Amino acid sequence: GAVVSQHPSWVICKSGTSVKIECRSLDFQATTMFWYRQFPKQSLMLMATSNEGSKATYEQGVEKDKFLINHASLTLSTLTVTSAHPEDSSFYICSAKGQLNQPQHFGDGTRLSIL
Amino acid sequence: QKEVEQDPGPLSVPEGAIVSLNCTYSNSAFQYFMWYRQYSRKGPELLMYTYSSGNKEDGRFTAQVDKSSKYISLFIRDSQPSDSATYLCAMRGVYNQGGKLIFGQGTELSVKP
Repeated sequence: GAVVSQHPSWVICKSGTSVKIECRSLDFQATTMFWYRQFPKQSLMLMATSNEGSKATYEQGVEKDKFLINHASLTLSTLTVTSAHPEDSSFYICSAKGQLNQPQHFGDGTRLSIL
Repeated sequence: QKEVEQDPGPLSVPEGAIVSLNCTYSNSAFQYFMWYRQYSRKGPELLMYTYSSGNKEDGRFTAQVDKSSKYISLFIRDSQPSDSATYLCAMRGVYNQGGKLIFGQGTELSVKP
């Protein structure tokens, strides 16, 4: 149980394009979803927290207009990297959490490469 | 000082060894403690989830929490090459914002055949 699917797993695109990453909870309802960024050999860095039907809460230093998050249903959240540039290249990981004191379950990440 | 400290390793052990991974923390409000395993180029996988102090066992894995010392451990018995991964400790309080986790830096483990 507690499966989180993230798509795509790898994307390469040109500088200036926008990229959408999907995160789905397959067998539970995710009241809260989280988006992380991870650099090589480093721990996860939280970018934002989103609750279904509400605006996302962004961590300090994360550009809201650059990283658009939508949590339209209890099983789907999307992260759109707008006008992506090479410095946005990274490993992006989502996680989903059910109600109350349930733990976070993670997707398998998306490797984003901007040329 | 970071809220959660974890030795980044790398840690290399022979197959069959007992592995001990540890984290210390400073925030006494933390009540939920997790261990995740992350293989290269994959997302973290939940291994253990515990509340407050005590021990929890699941197969070859045992998690220990000592809140009085602000110290948590993960033990892996009869370690296998397939256990080679980065292990992340994570924790949170009861009332924090939406269940936001505080992570350790991760310990890179290599189990040699």
